[in-house]
Amino acid sequence: AQSVTQLGSHVSVSEGALVLLRCNYSSSVPPYLFWYVQYPNQGLQLLLKYTSAATLVKGINGFEAEFKKSETSFHLTKPSAHMSDAAEYFCAVSENNAGNMLTFGGGTRLMVKP
Amino acid sequence: NAGVTQTPKFQVLKTGQSMTLQCAQDMNHEYMSWYRQDPGMGLRLIHYSVGAGITDQGEVPNGYNVSRSTTEDFPLRLLSAAPSQTSVYFCASRRPTGVGTEAFFGQGTRLTVV
Repeated sequence: AQSVTQLGSHVSVSEGALVLLRCNYSSSVPPYLFWYVQYPNQGLQLLLKYTSAATLVKGINGFEAEFKKSETSFHLTKPSAHMSDAAEYFCAVSENNAGNMLTFGGGTRLMVKP
Repeated sequence: NAGVTQTPKFQVLKTGQSMTLQCAQDMNHEYMSWYRQDPGMGLRLIHYSVGAGITDQGEVPNGYNVSRSTTEDFPLRLLSAAPSQTSVYFCASRRPTGVGTEAFFGQGTRLTVV
C-alpha cells in the first residue's frame, strides 16, 4: 500500500527566504512521486515529478525536489520565495502497478510574508 | 486544448437530492478518477476507471456511483446527498502507469449540501 505524509500543514516564510516543504512516502514497490500546486479556487497543476531517471528533479517556477530512498523522502525546495508562491502544495505517490492511482498527502499551505 | 472539463463549477443541493457531476477529457487518457478535497485531508480517491466499461472503488466510495461508457466521459453520481458530502470535487485523467505519468486535473466542482 502507498501513503504520503506532509509534515506541516502551514509553512510561513519571508520573501527571499528558502522554501522547504517536507514529504515522506510509503510504498511497497519503487514509486513515482509528484508535487502539485493549487492556487486559490483553481485545480491542481504539476510542479515536478520523479520517475527514477534522476534523483534531483527540477520543476517549474524555480522549484526542485530530491528523491532520497534511504529516507523515503521527496522534499520540495526553492532557494528564494516570491509572493506569487503563496499557494497550497500537495505531494503524491503512485506505485508502478497497472491500475494504480495517485495517493495524496494532506497538503501544505505556504504563506509568504513581505 | 481543453484538457479536463468539469461541470458545474458550483452547486448547492438539499439533503436527499441526487445529482451528477460531469467530467470530460479530450486527451484520450485511459485512466480517470474522482477525488474529493477537504481541509487538512488532501485529496481522497472516490472512484476510478482504467478504461471504458471498467470502474473500481477508491478510498471513500460510499454515497457515490460512477460509470464509464466512453473513454472521454466519467460522470460522478451522488445518490442521496448528505451534508458530509459538502466538498470540492476534482476529476483527473492520466495515461496508464508505467511511464510515471502525471494526472491532469479539472478546475473542480464546489458542492454544498444543506
